[in-house]
Amino acid sequence: AQSVAQPEDQVNVAEGNPLTVKCTYSVSGNPYLFWYVQYPNRGLQFLLKYITGDNLVKGSYGFEAEFNKSQTSFHLKKPSALVSDSALYFCAVRDMTGGYNKLIFGAGTRLAVHP
Amino acid sequence: ETGVTQSPTHLIKTRGQQVTLRCSSQSGHNTVSWYQQALGQGPQFIFQYYREEENGRGNFPPRFSGLQFPNYSSELNVNALELDDSALYLCASSLVGGVEQYFGPGTRLTVT
Repeated sequence: AQSVAQPEDQVNVAEGNPLTVKCTYSVSGNPYLFWYVQYPNRGLQFLLKYITGDNLVKGSYGFEAEFNKSQTSFHLKKPSALVSDSALYFCAVRDMTGGYNKLIFGAGTRLAVHP
Repeated sequence: ETGVTQSPTHLIKTRGQQVTLRCSSQSGHNTVSWYQQALGQGPQFIFQYYREEENGRGNFPPRFSGLQFPNYSSELNVNALELDDSALYLCASSLVGGVEQYFGPGTRLTVT
């Protein structure tokens, strides 16, 4: 079965410092991987996806993610964190079991950016 | 282009009652998926509708049911509500076979 794991419940970073939110995956076949962000009392906003091609994927709001097949990881990164980046981040993998497209999410990582 | 919308925003129900949540898909999207996000957890797939039929279901009991209408909008119905049904319910629309799913803002259901 497809799955993703987010090993950190919370990540704390100072404003202006680089940030990394970790995600590892377990899939059969080639993975389709996603990052979503959720602000308080809001739905999920799409940040970026990896399907194929370059291992470094650029997304919205200055975020990027690095796909590493050998380490089965898809870590989210940003060179310089903003206080407004504080939110809940979810990694997800596409699961086509049964012939239809659904997302399998990790438990989420809360990012806290301190001034 | 209109995004995914959901109603109501918040809802409080009593255990044993029934509830209906609504979702309007993004313009042109013909597939709707529903997810349940319990507090402190990631969203979990409930089911998906395409062409007004359920074409996939996660590990949820039959008291969770749905509908899709000709305009691609959708409803999620939950019967015999239990306390553990308290969660944020998210609707996502997509094109059939499409890679990306676009999420609505969710409905927060509280069961007391």
